[in-house]
Amino acid sequence: RKEVEQDPGPFNVPEGATVAFNCTYSNSASQSFFWYRQDCRKEPKLLMSVYSSGNEDGRFTAQLNRASQYISLLIRDSKLSDSATYLCVVNRGGATNKLIFGTGTLLAVQP
Amino acid sequence: GAVVSQHPSRVICKSGTSVKIECRSLDFQATTMFWYRQFPKQSLMLMATSNEGSKATYEQGVEKDKFLINHASLTLSTLTVASAHPEDSSFYICSARDRARANYGYTFGSGTRLTVV
Repeated sequence: RKEVEQDPGPFNVPEGATVAFNCTYSNSASQSFFWYRQDCRKEPKLLMSVYSSGNEDGRFTAQLNRASQYISLLIRDSKLSDSATYLCVVNRGGATNKLIFGTGTLLAVQP
Repeated sequence: GAVVSQHPSRVICKSGTSVKIECRSLDFQATTMFWYRQFPKQSLMLMATSNEGSKATYEQGVEKDKFLINHASLTLSTLTVASAHPEDSSFYICSARDRARANYGYTFGSGTRLTVV
């Protein structure tokens, strides 16, 4: 079983749609959580950190359920420019703070 | 802030040659940097953790004699792919974190696309 699991998609949605991505992690000692966005053939870029209380940044809402070891990302009013791969990322914690990446979920927003 | 510069962005080399990739933190000091590899349509796989002034820590299955890491200063880590072969062709990415901006997560270099022919 992978340490961080995501539905690879693709998610094909029309502009304006709301789309939700889910992610589960297996290491209960994981300390911090992020969503990154990766465009084709580019490096990942931080979209947002994820907190237990839930957090929102414009059209993006992230939530964390530590008991279920589950992370989500909700995108409202999808734009064409949201098309990318969304990576669920978990920090293992400990002395080295390693980031472990999910396989990513591909989102394609259609006009 | 928190910029990581990676160079070169693209390398094409012959089988058997060694390739050196540099990763620099431009506006912060990074005692730890991470090296990842990404094959097409796959996620980033952590290869090793680079520690300033000490030996790198390699993930299981990564050959330390094949992927040589040097972290000689607080702003520079290098990855050398020794005697590269076609199966080493991949997208290599480094990352680092500015501890002063911990909530901003990790910053990634722009990646190096290595093609071994």
